[in-house]
Amino acid sequence: GENVEQHPSTLSVQEGDSAVIKCTYSDSASNYFPWYKQELGKRPQLIIDIRSNVGEKKDQRIAVTLNKTAKHFSLHITETQPEDSAVYFCAAREGGDYKLSFGAGTTVTVRA
Amino acid sequence: DVKVTQSSRYLVKRTGEKVFLECVQDMDHENMFWYRQDPGLGLRLIYFSYDVKMKEKGDIPEGYSVSREKKERFSLILESASTNQTSMYLCASSFPSGGAQETQYFGPGTRLLVL
Repeated sequence: GENVEQHPSTLSVQEGDSAVIKCTYSDSASNYFPWYKQELGKRPQLIIDIRSNVGEKKDQRIAVTLNKTAKHFSLHITETQPEDSAVYFCAAREGGDYKLSFGAGTTVTVRA
Repeated sequence: DVKVTQSSRYLVKRTGEKVFLECVQDMDHENMFWYRQDPGLGLRLIYFSYDVKMKEKGDIPEGYSVSREKKERFSLILESASTNQTSMYLCASSFPSGGAQETQYFGPGTRLLVL
Protein backbone atom coordinates (compact mmCIF):
# COMPACT_ATOMS: atom_id res chain seq x y z
CA GLY A 1 0.00 0.00 0.00
CA GLU A 2 0.88 3.66 -0.18
CA ASN A 3 3.22 5.16 2.42
CA VAL A 4 3.36 8.92 2.90
CA GLU A 5 6.10 10.63 4.90
CA GLN A 6 5.77 14.28 5.96
CA HIS A 7 8.42 16.73 7.17
CA PRO A 8 8.94 18.63 9.33
CA SER A 9 6.72 17.54 12.20
CA THR A 10 6.76 21.06 13.65
CA LEU A 11 7.45 24.41 12.01
CA SER A 12 7.66 27.83 13.62
CA VAL A 13 7.74 30.89 11.37
CA GLN A 14 7.66 34.64 11.86
CA GLU A 15 4.50 36.32 10.66
CA GLY A 16 4.97 37.40 7.07
CA ASP A 17 7.57 34.72 6.29
CA SER A 18 6.96 31.67 4.12
CA ALA A 19 6.35 28.10 5.29
CA VAL A 20 7.12 24.95 3.32
CA ILE A 21 6.00 21.41 4.17
CA LYS A 22 7.26 18.43 2.18
CA CYS A 23 5.79 14.99 1.65
CA THR A 24 7.08 11.92 -0.12
CA TYR A 25 5.02 8.99 -1.33
CA SER A 26 5.97 5.45 -2.24
CA ASP A 27 3.56 4.32 -4.95
CA SER A 28 4.17 5.72 -8.43
CA ALA A 29 0.54 4.89 -9.28
CA SER A 30 -0.73 7.58 -6.89
CA ASN A 31 -2.43 10.38 -8.79
CA TYR A 32 -4.27 12.59 -6.30
CA PHE A 33 -2.63 14.64 -3.54
CA PRO A 34 -4.79 16.74 -1.19
CA TRP A 35 -3.71 18.91 1.70
CA TYR A 36 -5.86 19.31 4.81
CA LYS A 37 -5.68 21.94 7.54
CA GLN A 38 -6.87 21.22 11.06
CA GLU A 39 -7.18 24.13 13.44
CA LEU A 40 -7.09 23.43 17.14
CA GLY A 41 -10.24 21.61 18.24
CA LYS A 42 -11.71 21.57 14.76
CA ARG A 43 -12.15 19.07 11.95
CA PRO A 44 -9.66 18.71 9.07
CA GLN A 45 -10.63 20.70 6.00
CA LEU A 46 -9.29 20.55 2.47
CA ILE A 47 -7.25 23.61 1.54
CA ILE A 48 -5.79 22.61 -1.82
CA ASP A 49 -5.25 19.52 -3.93
CA ILE A 50 -3.30 18.55 -7.02
CA ARG A 51 -3.53 15.74 -9.54
CA SER A 52 -0.64 13.99 -11.18
CA ASN A 53 -1.18 15.64 -14.55
CA VAL A 54 -0.36 19.05 -13.04
CA GLY A 55 2.98 20.24 -11.68
CA GLU A 56 1.84 23.22 -9.64
CA LYS A 57 -1.36 24.76 -8.36
CA LYS A 58 -1.94 28.05 -6.55
CA ASP A 59 -4.77 29.52 -4.53
CA GLN A 60 -4.02 32.97 -3.16
CA ARG A 61 -1.26 32.53 -0.54
CA ILE A 62 -0.99 28.78 -0.78
CA ALA A 63 0.53 26.65 -3.52
CA VAL A 64 1.32 23.00 -4.02
CA THR A 65 4.04 21.57 -6.24
CA LEU A 66 4.36 17.98 -7.40
CA ASN A 67 7.46 16.17 -8.63
CA LYS A 68 6.31 12.80 -9.97
CA THR A 69 9.80 11.63 -10.83
CA ALA A 70 11.04 12.13 -7.28
CA LYS A 71 7.66 11.17 -5.79
CA HIS A 72 7.34 14.20 -3.59
CA PHE A 73 4.97 17.13 -3.23
CA SER A 74 5.13 20.28 -1.16
CA LEU A 75 2.83 22.89 0.35
CA HIS A 76 3.98 26.49 0.26
CA ILE A 77 2.34 29.21 2.35
CA THR A 78 3.48 32.76 1.66
CA GLU A 79 3.04 35.85 3.83
CA THR A 80 2.02 33.75 6.79
CA GLN A 81 -0.59 35.09 9.20
CA PRO A 82 -1.60 34.02 12.72
CA GLU A 83 -4.66 32.22 11.31
CA ASP A 84 -2.31 29.92 9.40
CA SER A 85 -1.34 28.32 12.72
CA ALA A 86 -2.72 24.77 12.53
CA VAL A 87 -1.81 21.16 11.83
CA TYR A 88 -1.40 20.41 8.14
CA PHE A 89 -1.76 16.93 6.68
CA CYS A 90 -0.71 15.78 3.23
CA ALA A 91 -2.26 12.71 1.64
CA ALA A 92 -1.99 10.56 -1.46
CA ARG A 93 -4.45 8.31 -3.24
CA GLU A 94 -3.46 5.46 -5.49
CA GLY A 95 -5.10 5.52 -8.88
CA GLY A 96 -8.29 3.47 -8.85
CA ASP A 97 -8.34 3.23 -5.06
CA TYR A 98 -10.91 4.72 -2.71
CA LYS A 99 -8.75 5.60 0.20
CA LEU A 100 -6.28 8.30 1.11
CA SER A 101 -3.01 7.62 2.91
CA PHE A 102 -2.15 10.52 5.21
CA GLY A 103 1.15 11.89 6.42
CA ALA A 104 1.76 12.25 10.15
CA GLY A 105 1.04 15.98 10.11
CA THR A 106 2.99 19.22 10.57
CA THR A 107 2.17 21.62 13.38
CA VAL A 108 2.72 25.15 12.07
CA THR A 109 3.01 28.04 14.51
CA VAL A 110 3.08 31.59 13.19
CA ARG A 111 4.80 33.97 15.63
CA ALA A 112 3.49 37.51 15.76
CA ASP B 1 -23.11 23.21 2.78
CA VAL B 2 -21.80 19.70 3.47
CA LYS B 3 -22.69 18.42 6.86
CA VAL B 4 -21.08 15.42 8.53
CA THR B 5 -22.16 14.83 12.11
CA GLN B 6 -21.03 12.37 14.73
CA SER B 7 -23.19 11.08 17.55
CA SER B 8 -20.94 12.18 20.42
CA ARG B 9 -18.10 14.65 20.91
CA TYR B 10 -16.81 12.92 24.05
CA LEU B 11 -17.28 9.40 25.37
CA VAL B 12 -15.95 7.62 28.43
CA LYS B 13 -16.25 3.85 28.47
CA ARG B 14 -14.99 0.95 30.56
CA THR B 15 -12.69 -1.78 29.30
CA GLY B 16 -14.74 -4.58 27.77
CA GLU B 17 -17.77 -2.45 26.94
CA LYS B 18 -19.30 -2.45 23.49
CA VAL B 19 -19.08 1.00 21.96
CA PHE B 20 -21.05 2.45 19.04
CA LEU B 21 -19.93 5.55 17.18
CA GLU B 22 -22.30 6.86 14.57
CA CYS B 23 -21.73 9.15 11.63
CA VAL B 24 -24.35 10.79 9.44
CA GLN B 25 -23.83 12.79 6.24
CA ASP B 26 -26.38 14.76 4.29
CA MET B 27 -24.62 15.08 0.91
CA ASP B 28 -25.66 11.76 -0.64
CA HIS B 29 -21.98 10.69 -0.66
CA GLU B 30 -21.26 7.14 -1.73
CA ASN B 31 -18.00 6.85 0.23
CA MET B 32 -17.73 6.95 4.00
CA PHE B 33 -14.65 6.46 6.15
CA TRP B 34 -13.64 5.98 9.77
CA TYR B 35 -10.21 7.20 10.92
CA ARG B 36 -8.48 7.41 14.22
CA GLN B 37 -6.20 10.33 14.97
CA ASP B 38 -3.31 9.99 17.39
CA PRO B 39 -0.51 12.53 17.98
CA GLY B 40 2.43 11.96 15.67
CA LEU B 41 0.61 9.26 13.70
CA GLY B 42 -1.67 11.37 11.53
CA LEU B 43 -4.97 9.97 10.36
CA ARG B 44 -5.11 6.21 10.08
CA LEU B 45 -7.92 4.51 8.20
CA ILE B 46 -9.89 1.92 10.14
CA TYR B 47 -12.64 0.99 7.66
CA PHE B 48 -14.34 2.49 4.68
CA SER B 49 -17.51 1.87 2.72
CA TYR B 50 -18.19 2.71 -0.92
CA ASP B 51 -21.86 1.72 -0.93
CA VAL B 52 -24.64 0.53 1.34
CA LYS B 53 -23.77 -2.76 3.02
CA MET B 54 -20.28 -2.66 1.43
CA LYS B 55 -17.21 -2.32 3.60
CA GLU B 56 -13.48 -2.72 3.27
CA LYS B 57 -10.75 -2.90 5.85
CA GLY B 58 -8.38 0.00 6.14
CA ASP B 59 -4.93 -0.02 7.66
CA ILE B 60 -5.88 -0.73 11.29
CA PRO B 61 -9.17 -2.71 11.40
CA GLU B 62 -8.28 -5.00 14.31
CA GLY B 63 -10.71 -4.62 17.21
CA TYR B 64 -13.26 -2.71 15.13
CA SER B 65 -16.24 -3.50 12.94
CA VAL B 66 -18.58 -1.29 10.91
CA SER B 67 -22.11 -1.20 9.65
CA ARG B 68 -23.69 0.68 6.77
CA GLU B 69 -27.37 -0.10 6.44
CA LYS B 70 -28.33 3.27 4.94
CA LYS B 71 -26.39 5.47 2.55
CA GLU B 72 -26.22 8.41 4.93
CA ARG B 73 -25.16 6.51 8.04
CA PHE B 74 -21.91 4.68 8.89
CA SER B 75 -21.35 3.16 12.29
CA LEU B 76 -18.10 2.13 13.94
CA ILE B 77 -18.33 -0.60 16.58
CA LEU B 78 -15.78 -1.49 19.21
CA GLU B 79 -16.88 -4.98 20.22
CA SER B 80 -14.90 -4.99 23.47
CA ALA B 81 -13.22 -1.68 24.18
CA SER B 82 -9.62 -1.69 25.32
CA THR B 83 -7.44 1.10 26.72
CA ASN B 84 -5.35 1.20 23.54
CA GLN B 85 -8.47 2.30 21.67
CA THR B 86 -8.48 5.59 23.54
CA SER B 87 -8.23 8.08 20.71
CA MET B 88 -9.94 10.70 18.56
CA TYR B 89 -12.23 9.10 15.97
CA LEU B 90 -13.04 10.99 12.80
CA CYS B 91 -15.66 10.12 10.24
CA ALA B 92 -15.50 11.39 6.66
CA SER B 93 -17.55 11.14 3.50
CA SER B 94 -16.99 11.84 -0.19
CA PHE B 95 -18.21 11.29 -3.70
CA PRO B 96 -16.49 8.44 -5.59
CA SER B 97 -12.75 8.78 -6.04
CA GLY B 98 -11.38 10.07 -9.31
CA GLY B 99 -14.10 12.59 -9.92
CA ALA B 100 -13.82 16.34 -9.67
CA GLN B 101 -15.62 16.30 -6.31
CA GLU B 102 -13.72 13.64 -4.41
CA THR B 103 -12.92 15.85 -1.44
CA GLN B 104 -13.36 14.08 1.86
CA TYR B 105 -15.47 16.03 4.35
CA PHE B 106 -14.84 15.30 7.99
CA GLY B 107 -17.09 15.19 11.00
CA PRO B 108 -16.19 17.03 14.24
CA GLY B 109 -14.68 13.93 15.81
CA THR B 110 -15.42 11.81 18.89
CA ARG B 111 -12.84 11.77 21.64
CA LEU B 112 -13.09 8.34 23.27
CA LEU B 113 -11.52 7.53 26.61
CA VAL B 114 -11.46 3.87 27.64
CA LEU B 115 -10.78 3.32 31.32
